Amino acid sequence: AQSVTQLDSQVPVFEEAPVELRCNYSSSVSVYLFWYVQYPNQGLQLLLKYLSGSTLVESINGFEAEFNKSQTSFHLRKPSVHISDTAEYFCAVSTDTGRRALTFGSGTRLQVQP
Amino acid sequence: DARVTQTPRHKVTEMGQEVTMRCQPILGHNTVFWYRQTMMQGLELLAYFRNRAPLDDSGMPKDRFSAEMPDATLATLKIQPSEPRDSAVYFCASGTRTGGTGELFFGEGSRLTVL
Repeated sequence: AQSVTQLDSQVPVFEEAPVELRCNYSSSVSVYLFWYVQYPNQGLQLLLKYLSGSTLVESINGFEAEFNKSQTSFHLRKPSVHISDTAEYFCAVSTDTGRRALTFGSGTRLQVQP
Repeated sequence: DARVTQTPRHKVTEMGQEVTMRCQPILGHNTVFWYRQTMMQGLELLAYFRNRAPLDDSGMPKDRFSAEMPDATLATLKIQPSEPRDSAVYFCASGTRTGGTGELFFGEGSRLTVL
């Protein structure tokens, strides 16, 4: 079975500062990795995903994540955050075998301060 | 624009009452997932369906929870009897494949409070 660990439950950061949200996974088979974002009182929305190919993936709003197989990580980064990035971010993993559904981490609340 | 619709958005009920939550997946999506979100446990997978057939409901307490898809446009999650520990936000999500590369589209959730 696969699992996801998000070590930071909250990350406060000032506007225009860089940020990194950490995600580590555990799996005995090949994985697909995702970051979802949840704004207050809303459902989750896909931010970006790694399926195969280039290990660096980007979103349309400036976030990027890098798949590191040796460190079993998929950290999310943004060089300069905006107030509107305040939300909860979930890392998730899935596989093509076994329980074929997304397994989510516990989430990291990003709080961008002016 | 296409989206997953969940009803009710909010529900307050008393312990022992039956609760039914409904989900209309995006037209054309053939996989439906139910997740529960709480502060303590985060997002937990309860059950999921493909082409209306249940594939996995191992995350669901069998004695009180049941999930069905009467047709391709409706998924239901029922709790009977409800207990205070069932208080959570229940999310429905739909997609076009299970596991692997499929993106999930989430509804806005049903917030359940059991007194």
